[in-house]
Parts: sequence; C-alpha cells; structure tokens
Amino acid sequence: GQQLNQSPQSMFIQEGEDVSMNCTSSSIFNTWLWYKQDPGEGPVLLIALYKAGELTSNGRLTAQFGITRKDSFLNISASIPSDVGIYFCAGRGGSNYKLTFGKGTLLTVNP
Amino acid sequence: EADIYQTPRYLVIGTGKKITLECSQTMGHDKMYWYQQDPGMELHLIHYSYGVNSTEKGDLSSESTVSRIRTEHFPLTLESARPSHTSQYLCASSERAGVTEKLFFGSGTQLSVL
Repeated sequence: GQQLNQSPQSMFIQEGEDVSMNCTSSSIFNTWLWYKQDPGEGPVLLIALYKAGELTSNGRLTAQFGITRKDSFLNISASIPSDVGIYFCAGRGGSNYKLTFGKGTLLTVNP
Repeated sequence: EADIYQTPRYLVIGTGKKITLECSQTMGHDKMYWYQQDPGMELHLIHYSYGVNSTEKGDLSSESTVSRIRTEHFPLTLESARPSHTSQYLCASSERAGVTEKLFFGSGTQLSVL
C-alpha cells in the first residue's frame, strides 16, 4: 500500500519562530491534506491541495503540493503558543481514493 | 464544514462489557469512517461506509463492528471490551467527491477498558 513519511517527528521551538514540516510518498498522490490535532480532540482540516505545484495559504500557514507529486510541505510563520499540537499530512493517490495519513509532527512552542 | 458529533467523549468501562460508540453527522454526507488512534500516534482506519447499508473493514484489523442504517448515523460496537481496546476512536465523514474529498472529524471518544 501507499506509505507516507512525515518529518520531523517532533519540534521544540520558541514563540515567533517559523516552522517547516514535510511529507514524502513512495508513490504519486493526487491530493494532499494537512490537519492539526489538539490534545483530546479530533483532527481539524487546515489546508487542502489538489494540483502539483499548488501553493495555498491559510493565515500564517502555507502548504505546497510538490512538483513531483510525491511530497508536500507545511510552513507556519511567526509561531504562537496556540500552534501547539500534532500536525498530520494525509494523501490520496491511485484509483481507490483511500486517504493515507502520516505519523504526525508534534509541535511544542515555548512562550 | 461538516457538523459531526461523537458520544460519549470519555468512557471508562470494565472488561467484558458491551459498548457502543455513537457518531452522527448533520450534513448528509455519504461516506463515514472510524479511525483508531493511540496517544500521539498515527490514525488507523478500522471501518468505513459509502452509504446506507454499506460497511467495509479498514486497514487495521478490529474486533469492533459497525452499522449504517441511516445516512447520518454510524455507530461502532464492541461486544466484549478488553484492555487492548483502550484507545481514542475518531469518527469522520465526507461527501463522495473523488480526489477532492475532504474528511471532517468528530472530537473523538477516549475509551479506557479496565
């Protein structure tokens, strides 16, 4: 089946710093989704990407669909304490439309 | 954006009990999903449904069962709970929209089996 590698596994940063995380796939994807999960809650959709090269922003968040269609990155600018949580990438490829999730990046922001 | 509700939010129960985790969505979405997630870990698909009377097993083997009698309702049942079932269970729904499909999640049920 399709596999996603998400990195880094965890990040510890200072408030105000920029953050970057990425996901790579062993196969071509048609869709990339980025989710954030707060402790004890379900994941919330942040950004959806549908075209190779697409760059989409949502406030301080920016995500890109890689040209090779095998990767995507998420950037967070000027981090704040409420950015703390687990960020998941999810991708869909092939004909079965099944969504594959990465293992998540745990982000900690020190005030 | 979908409105999807899960109850209970937290459940502590003894071994051997039968439990049903409820999931309802108000957007008329055809597709619904159950994921299992251990703390800080990835999501594992355990069941999904394309619509009424449709249920399929996911990637992760699970002793739970599901039913889809109504579009808005997708309950998950464990006939005899065990400590190994302790986990967070997340329900999700989406419109059937192919490559543009987006999943919307409920807040989850944190299950602890003693």
